[in-house]
Amino acid sequence: QQQVKQSPQSLIVQKGGISIINCAYENTAFDYFPWYQQFPGKGPALLIAIRPDVSEKKEGRFTISFNKSAKQFSLHIMDSQPGDSATYFCAASTQGGSEKLVFGKGTKLTVNP
Amino acid sequence: DADVTQTPRNRITKTGKRIMLECSQTKGHDRMYWYRQDPGLGLRLIYYSFDVKDINKGEISDGYSVSRQAQAKFSLSLESAIPNQTALYFCATSDRTNPLQETQYFGPGTRLLVL
Repeated sequence: QQQVKQSPQSLIVQKGGISIINCAYENTAFDYFPWYQQFPGKGPALLIAIRPDVSEKKEGRFTISFNKSAKQFSLHIMDSQPGDSATYFCAASTQGGSEKLVFGKGTKLTVNP
Repeated sequence: DADVTQTPRNRITKTGKRIMLECSQTKGHDRMYWYRQDPGLGLRLIYYSFDVKDINKGEISDGYSVSRQAQAKFSLSLESAIPNQTALYFCATSDRTNPLQETQYFGPGTRLLVL
């Protein structure tokens, strides 16, 4: 069964626009929610992460919004740039950290110049 | 930097062959993981190891085996490769001893084609 559902599968945004990727989960024991960014030919790398004690975390142009009651979290990329074009994975863990992550299926983001 | 290395980077093999993918890390991390990535399916955990004497099955371990030869080395074997094991394989590490550690570090991946 898919524990973390990610949408959309692909996303095309114009330069300067806002990119939004959504994830939903069912397991209320999840207590750590990272987002990974993967460029072609590379392994995924941590972008930003949030714990359920806060509703939002911002790092530069990247923001995670977290809705515990709805069991949803999303990644917002403000002022999207062509260099942001990559595949993004949401993930979740019950271990409070990086052990045993469960990943979403990924979103391929294309930012057109 | 190449803290997590995978060999080979690309491999073509035939159905029924036994192959081994190797992962080495210089990060000093105790935890290591093997994932498989398929288009549209994301990253799925094959096996993980929290120390040299600890091996655990992940979501999709059938058809695979692993060996943790040392803290720094974790190998994935396909005992008898089949075409649907064609995929991109990633090794990753994480650090239990650092409570502030919040990430798994991924290698560059091995692209495997089974004919």
